[in-house]
Amino acid sequence: AQSVTQLGSHVSVSEGALVLLRCNYSSSVPPYLFWYVQYPNQGLQLLLKYTTGATLVKGINGFEAEFKKSETSFHLTKPSAHMSDAAEYFCAVSEAGSARQLTFGSGTQLTVLP
Amino acid sequence: GAGVSQSPSNKVTEKGKDVELRCDPISGHTALYWYRQSLGQGLEFLIYFQGNSAPDKSGLPSDRFSAERTGGSVSTLTIQRTQQEDSAVYLCASRLSGSNQPQHFGDGTRLSIL
Repeated sequence: AQSVTQLGSHVSVSEGALVLLRCNYSSSVPPYLFWYVQYPNQGLQLLLKYTTGATLVKGINGFEAEFKKSETSFHLTKPSAHMSDAAEYFCAVSEAGSARQLTFGSGTQLTVLP
Repeated sequence: GAGVSQSPSNKVTEKGKDVELRCDPISGHTALYWYRQSLGQGLEFLIYFQGNSAPDKSGLPSDRFSAERTGGSVSTLTIQRTQQEDSAVYLCASRLSGSNQPQHFGDGTRLSIL
């Protein structure tokens, strides 16, 4: 069984400040990990993914995340927030080597203050 | 290129009616997933199709829900005798073969049951 915990359902940052969205997972098998972003009235857009290899992965729009197995974490960061980053962010996990569905966290709504 | 296309984008219907939601996956994507997104439950897996294999229906909440995928492409999710608790956004995703491939989402169908 897998689960994902996103700490903080709402996060507010000032424009230009660091963005840090937290994600911890639980998985009995090696995980594949994903971050998706959802803008109002739209579907989910892939930001980045970790499957194998380098544990620091870079995604679109300046976001990156680091897979830390010892901490079972996959936190999302961006050095400098932009107004256009305001959206809801979802962390998701699937089983490595399996085609099964994603298990999603409950989401974090990011607000960027001017 | 074209992404995952879902129709209709919005559907309002009366309690007790049947509804059909359509998903056109990205061309060449062999795997197709349906999820439901609602305020109280977050993102929930419903059903998964992979090629010609029997679908994984383990996420369907009741026997009022069914889905089919014709010709390995278009999928239809059907909800019979709709209830108010069925009100949600229904998201479709597709993926290339290979478990490390990310899922690509459509913009969803917003279903409202009066």
